[in-house]
Amino acid sequence: EAQVTQNPRYLITVTGKKLTVTCSQNMNHEYMSWYRQDPGLGLRQIYYSMNVEVTDKGDVPEGYKVSRKEKRNFPLILESPSPNQTSLYFCASGRGTSGNYNEQFFGPGTRLTVL
Amino acid sequence: KNEVEQSPQNLTAQEGEFITINCSYSVGISALHWLQQHPGGGIVSLFMLSSGKKKHGRLIATINIQEKHSSLHITASHPRDSAVYICAVSGAQKLVFGQGTRLTINP
Repeated sequence: EAQVTQNPRYLITVTGKKLTVTCSQNMNHEYMSWYRQDPGLGLRQIYYSMNVEVTDKGDVPEGYKVSRKEKRNFPLILESPSPNQTSLYFCASGRGTSGNYNEQFFGPGTRLTVL
Repeated sequence: KNEVEQSPQNLTAQEGEFITINCSYSVGISALHWLQQHPGGGIVSLFMLSSGKKKHGRLIATINIQEKHSSLHITASHPRDSAVYICAVSGAQKLVFGQGTRLTINP
């Protein structure tokens, strides 16, 4: 089954404790992206990747890191989480090397709470 | 002013009604996306269009590039259509999202 998976789905952590949210897709998509969703602010793009070893900042990259060492995986790293990173996070993937013409396939979301 | 504006923010209708959700944007785009987010939180892509009109079942999406406006229509609405509908525009590799329209269809 074609899908984007994220782990964990739910996470409660404390300020400053490094964490990684994994994202994996089995559709051989070049394009992958991370978004966060907050009440009143909607969805916002954090980072995106157009292919292996090619990543770039979205609109809200502060406090996050990403890597794209393999085509299928695009982990989101919070080196020192803070309460303002409490949010619902979505990973997505798409065909091609651009977000412009790609239908996006979304993962199920990760609800993160930073205390 | 947000780059992508949706209206209305909330919409309640009776089963069977014709639904229209609007999206206006202020930036140059390569494509416009309509997404559906179910109460459980999952997001599904409904349409991606750069011109004209697309139809999937009871859903129709249109875009007017000159007016920077898109509409999502639902014909013969059903309670299972209750969800948040999100408009997003893509350009320069990025996606920018509207705030979403919460649609509730009552039986």
